[in-house]
Amino acid sequence: DQQVKQNSPSLSVQEGRISILNCDYTNSMFDYFLWYKKYPAEGPTFLISISSIKDKNEDGRFTVFLNKSAKHLSLHIVPSQPGDSAVYFCAASGGAQKLVFGQGTRLTINP
Amino acid sequence: EPEVTQTPSHQVTQMGQEVILRCVPISNHLYFYWYRQILGQKVEFLVSFYNNEISEKSEIFDDQFSVERPDGSNFTLKIRSTKLEDSAMYFCASSETDGAGNTIYFGEGSWLTVV
Repeated sequence: DQQVKQNSPSLSVQEGRISILNCDYTNSMFDYFLWYKKYPAEGPTFLISISSIKDKNEDGRFTVFLNKSAKHLSLHIVPSQPGDSAVYFCAASGGAQKLVFGQGTRLTINP
Repeated sequence: EPEVTQTPSHQVTQMGQEVILRCVPISNHLYFYWYRQILGQKVEFLVSFYNNEISEKSEIFDDQFSVERPDGSNFTLKIRSTKLEDSAMYFCASSETDGAGNTIYFGEGSWLTVV
């Protein structure tokens, strides 16, 4: 059951540049999307979210874009910092309480 | 900043033993959840709990699992007879509301190793 997919298992970006993490979904009933950041042996930390009625949400260095027709969302981090190195999970919900997670993308920021 | 807290951080148990994982959700939250992540796999939903009853559960959450809110602050996950495949990181989570716009906040996780 791959309702939420993150096709890139890893991404390496130079410090100061833009990091773009991508996520695709298949379930049209999803109406709320979230990005979480996770360090090893820690819980997912909420970063930013977007409702399906919007196509962009910005919070500081983080911007999430939603393209409903393509069932695609992306997280932009600019400028990327070494502390951003972590695994990033895309998650979606569809009015019900549970979140469906993607597989995660490991982001490495190189100095 | 309020946070979800979990205990223990790590537990090793023998196959067939009962395990109880404990959580203190964020104080004004009304919806509580357990998720788990088997090493190298996705974070998976187990169960949601509201108003002292289960509101949704996944296929993983079979009769070996149960949840309880024994008092006003704790939320527990019990695994009655652990199997090797129950080895995973278990995350408790909570949210203020449900439905659209619902942000779920996670605890640090309890790493369960079944031997």
